[in-house]
Amino acid sequence: EPEVTQTPSHQVTQMGQEVILRCVPISNHLYFYWYRQILGQKVEFLVSFYNNEISEKSEIFDDQFSVERPDGSNFTLKIRSTKLEDSAMYFCASSLGQGVQPQHFGDGTRLSIL
Amino acid sequence: RKEVEQDPGPFNVPEGATVAFNCTYSNSASQSFFWYRQDCRKEPKLLMSVYSSGNEDGRFTAQLNRASQYISLLIRDSKLSDSATYLCVVNYSSYKLIFGSGTRLLVRP
Repeated sequence: EPEVTQTPSHQVTQMGQEVILRCVPISNHLYFYWYRQILGQKVEFLVSFYNNEISEKSEIFDDQFSVERPDGSNFTLKIRSTKLEDSAMYFCASSLGQGVQPQHFGDGTRLSIL
Repeated sequence: RKEVEQDPGPFNVPEGATVAFNCTYSNSASQSFFWYRQDCRKEPKLLMSVYSSGNEDGRFTAQLNRASQYISLLIRDSKLSDSATYLCVVNYSSYKLIFGSGTRLLVRP
């Protein structure tokens, strides 16, 4: 069964450093997403991306965050200057369509900010 | 009021039991509904979509009541492998999923 893959599985970074999280969505999917989950809390939406542009973003997704699809397969999330509170599990997801089409999640990148 | 509200549990049931989880959502304009399961420190995995007419997938039955803004999941003949956190998920816009905090299920031998 096709799956969403994410790298790295765990990233440890010093506060203030830039970090890039990588995702390879399911190959025929057109919609891409990032979510995060702080330990012990619920999954929160960050951003959705379609047709090479952001289609929706949350309040969490401020100027420190950016997304990119640099080639036909990868989808990246960049955090420019990390803060302690950015420590969380970051999940990439993709879907074939929008709305009723379910989103399929990668196994996540655990980001630890020191 | 929380956007998606679930009883956190845990529900502790013996193997073979039937267990039901409930969920309420606040936005009446919500378009689509799902149940995901999440194992400890793992990604959410789609369990099933929830349709207005109700739907069943093996031992799992999901119901939606739009008038009451209420979603349910019934698990029959619980297995040890059903132990997980069950996430009620609502699609508020075309793109954005809103997750509940999850209901934890423990199935004991």
